[in-house]
Amino acid sequence: ELKVEQNPLFLSMQEGKNYTIYCNYSTTSDRLYWYRQDPGKSLESLFVLLSNGAVKQEGRLMASLDTKARLSTLHITAAVHDLSATYFCAVDANYGGSQGNLIFGKGTKLSVKP
Amino acid sequence: EADIYQTPRYLVIGTGKKITLECSQTMGHDKMYWYQQDPGMELHLIHYSYGVNSTEKGDLSSESTVSRIRTEHFPLTLESARPSHTSQYLCATSGSSRNTIYFGEGSWLTVV
Repeated sequence: ELKVEQNPLFLSMQEGKNYTIYCNYSTTSDRLYWYRQDPGKSLESLFVLLSNGAVKQEGRLMASLDTKARLSTLHITAAVHDLSATYFCAVDANYGGSQGNLIFGKGTKLSVKP
Repeated sequence: EADIYQTPRYLVIGTGKKITLECSQTMGHDKMYWYQQDPGMELHLIHYSYGVNSTEKGDLSSESTVSRIRTEHFPLTLESARPSHTSQYLCATSGSSRNTIYFGEGSWLTVV
């Protein structure tokens, strides 16, 4: 059974600082997703990582994937208040298949303070 | 921007009532999903569909049912709502590549 663990679950950081969110998963998968969710809102797609060593960057966020370690990281550079949200990683449970069923981590609630 | 429409967005209903949550998409995606999310918690897959006349249950047991008569439409029905069904229900779609899974705005259901 695929399990996805994120840490930390809560993160309070100051503006301008850097930090990393970690996402570990328990079995082989060929797709890992990062989503952002604002309170009371739906999920916004941030990144899809498809292969070992994949790195994607958008603004102050950078995501990477190590399939051998079954680990993805979401790195935040010089945080700003607008980045405050809950960040979820999700792993496709059907390696090599076509279903696209995602197993989500519990989410990391990020609060960026001035 | 994904074109996924969910209605109603917010609903309060009494125990025992029947409710259908609507989900429509205009992207022509074959794959559609329903996820359930309790406040502040992770999402769980409850139903999915690969195309017309295809429906499967997800990992989280649910008393709801779904149908897929048209590509663009994937409604979820609760025959007899209970307070334990209070949650947010999110509809999602993906194309053949699965490279992005798009989520709708969600339907917040409260059963009293």
